[in-house]
Amino acid sequence: DAGVIQSPRHEVTEMGQEVTLRCKPISGHDYLFWYRQTMMRGLELLIYFNNNVPIDDSGMPEDRFSAKMPNASFSTLKIQPSEPRDSAVYFCASSQEGSNQPQHFGDGTRLSIL
Amino acid sequence: AQSVAQPEDQVNVAEGNPLTVKCTYSVSGNPYLFWYVQYPNRGLQFLLKYITGDNLVKGSYGFEAEFNKSQTSFHLKKPSALVSDSALYFCAVRDSGNNRLAFGKGNQVVVIP
Repeated sequence: DAGVIQSPRHEVTEMGQEVTLRCKPISGHDYLFWYRQTMMRGLELLIYFNNNVPIDDSGMPEDRFSAKMPNASFSTLKIQPSEPRDSAVYFCASSQEGSNQPQHFGDGTRLSIL
Repeated sequence: AQSVAQPEDQVNVAEGNPLTVKCTYSVSGNPYLFWYVQYPNRGLQFLLKYITGDNLVKGSYGFEAEFNKSQTSFHLKKPSALVSDSALYFCAVRDSGNNRLAFGKGNQVVVIP
């Protein structure tokens, strides 16, 4: 079975540029989560979707961040304009319906904003 | 609000010795508890979960965890550590009826050959 697939794996760009991170969840999973991981703040939940609908975006840092899920097999996280403090590893995870279901993580996108 | 505490930053253990990684949690309802492992440059991998039933839960790679309701703990254990177990370990809790996972800060485990 293919797991959660994220692209790109690495992204280096200059401050002010638009960044788009992509995620393909596991087929049949109803929930999709976006996380950010840094040394200082650990693992932070940014937003999550249920059946392609955003449920909780309270973790999105500011208006420069936006996320979409146009269909069950694809989601994007966009940063515009990007800033050096956005540098982090961004993870996408998906899970089946049910509070007892584990989340399955992709291998992340390592983002560096110069 | 649900939360998890992993009190130690790093756990050092000699290869072949027992490994324990500590976790305590706080939830308002029934807890659903999870352990994940993260290797360098990889995503978190699910190890095991406690939902209900036996307090001792067995998972992947020889790991197990013990649920203790009175102490609100869910410590991860392995009887004999391997060098390849060196990684970052995360405990997480979810309140029943809630889809958000609260993660601990993670524990770096170093297994010394």
